[in-house]
Amino acid sequence: KAGVTQTPRYLIKTRGQQVTLSCSPISGHRSVSWYQQTPGQGLQFLFEYFSETQRNKGNFPGRFSGRQFSNSRSEMNVSTLELGDSALYLCASSLVATGGSGYTFGSGTRLTVV
Amino acid sequence: EDKVVQSPLSLVVHEGDTVTLNCSYEVTNFRSLLWYKQEKKAPTFLFMLTSSGIEKKSGRLSSILDKKELFSILNITATQTGDSAVYLCAGLDDKIIFGKGTRLHILP
Repeated sequence: KAGVTQTPRYLIKTRGQQVTLSCSPISGHRSVSWYQQTPGQGLQFLFEYFSETQRNKGNFPGRFSGRQFSNSRSEMNVSTLELGDSALYLCASSLVATGGSGYTFGSGTRLTVV
Repeated sequence: EDKVVQSPLSLVVHEGDTVTLNCSYEVTNFRSLLWYKQEKKAPTFLFMLTSSGIEKKSGRLSSILDKKELFSILNITATQTGDSAVYLCAGLDDKIIFGKGTRLHILP
């Protein structure tokens, strides 16, 4: 079966712009969570969606937002980009909320802010 | 504040050696501990540990959880160059908290 698909794979944006990243979960998975990975901070939890509702949110500013559609696909939006937002953004899907069955990760979107 | 701490941060060993990676956690409402292997981009799931003292095994990899002392270890025996990766530990309550990982490099 198809894995978790993230698009685009690479993205270069300018400070102040906004960006939208997409994540398609494994078929049948209803939970999608998002993470930011940087060399200094490691993998940090952004938020999790389950059945179109945000269940949990990490400690990120309001510039980071997301949503989930009825087909479980999810998008993440970052507004007013800053240089420090340069990172690998990973999403993961699971059957149930909060990864009770383990998370499956996508290959990520590498965002560079210049 | 919830946190997961992994040690060592990096490790270099020779092929055939056995390694032990450590993970300690302070997670409110702890439910499970997860181990992942990250080679390039997508972390791949290794183990989920929920019960204390029960070892989980998959080939040369094994892991155990101690809920009293709040730690877990990941063992890799007879290491191979393909085991070179970053190993991530994560605590799960109503969200997932990752450690910063252990970067393991296996020399041929």
